Amino acid sequence: EAQVTQNPRYLITVTGKKLTVTCSQNMNHEYMSWYRQDPGLGLRQIYYSMNVEVTDKGDVPEGYKVSRKEKRNFPLILESPSPNQTSLYFCASSLDLTYNEQFFGPGTRLTVL
Amino acid sequence: DQQVKQNSPSLSVQEGRISILNCDYTNSMFDYFLWYKKYPAEGPTFLISISSIKDKNEDGRFTVFLNKSAKHLSLHIVPSQPGDSAVYFCAAINGQNFVFGPGTRLSVLP
Repeated sequence: EAQVTQNPRYLITVTGKKLTVTCSQNMNHEYMSWYRQDPGLGLRQIYYSMNVEVTDKGDVPEGYKVSRKEKRNFPLILESPSPNQTSLYFCASSLDLTYNEQFFGPGTRLTVL
Repeated sequence: DQQVKQNSPSLSVQEGRISILNCDYTNSMFDYFLWYKKYPAEGPTFLISISSIKDKNEDGRFTVFLNKSAKHLSLHIVPSQPGDSAVYFCAAINGQNFVFGPGTRLSVLP
């Protein structure tokens, strides 16, 4: 089954404790991205990747890191999480960026205390 | 400042009637627009899209209209069904970035 998977689905952590949210897709997609969803703000793009070893900042990259060492994986890293990073996070992928729709993962709800 | 706006946070419609969801954008460089639907506890799913060179795209019960001069697009759902109850996001592509609106919660009442 073609899908985007994220782990964990739920995470409660404390300020300053490094964490990684994994994202994997099995569709051989080139384009992957991370979003956060906050009430009243919709989905805001954090980082995106056009292909392996090619990443770039989205609209809200501060406090986040990403890597794209393999085509299928695109982990999101929070080196020192803060309470304002409490949010619902979505990973997405698409074949490329020739106006193809993105496929989204199920989401990761992160709470930083 | 939000580049993609959905000014109605919520909308209620009777089953069988038309649902019209609106979206406005400010950046004239956007050249492709999409609508996504999101159910609780799931990721958004693609619904329909439109290129800026068109003014209408239809797929079954769903039609998207684009008015470039007004920087406005709308999603029409006819007839509305209870299963259409969800949050709908308008999105626009600018270069390599996807920009989403804040969403409109549609409730279709039986």
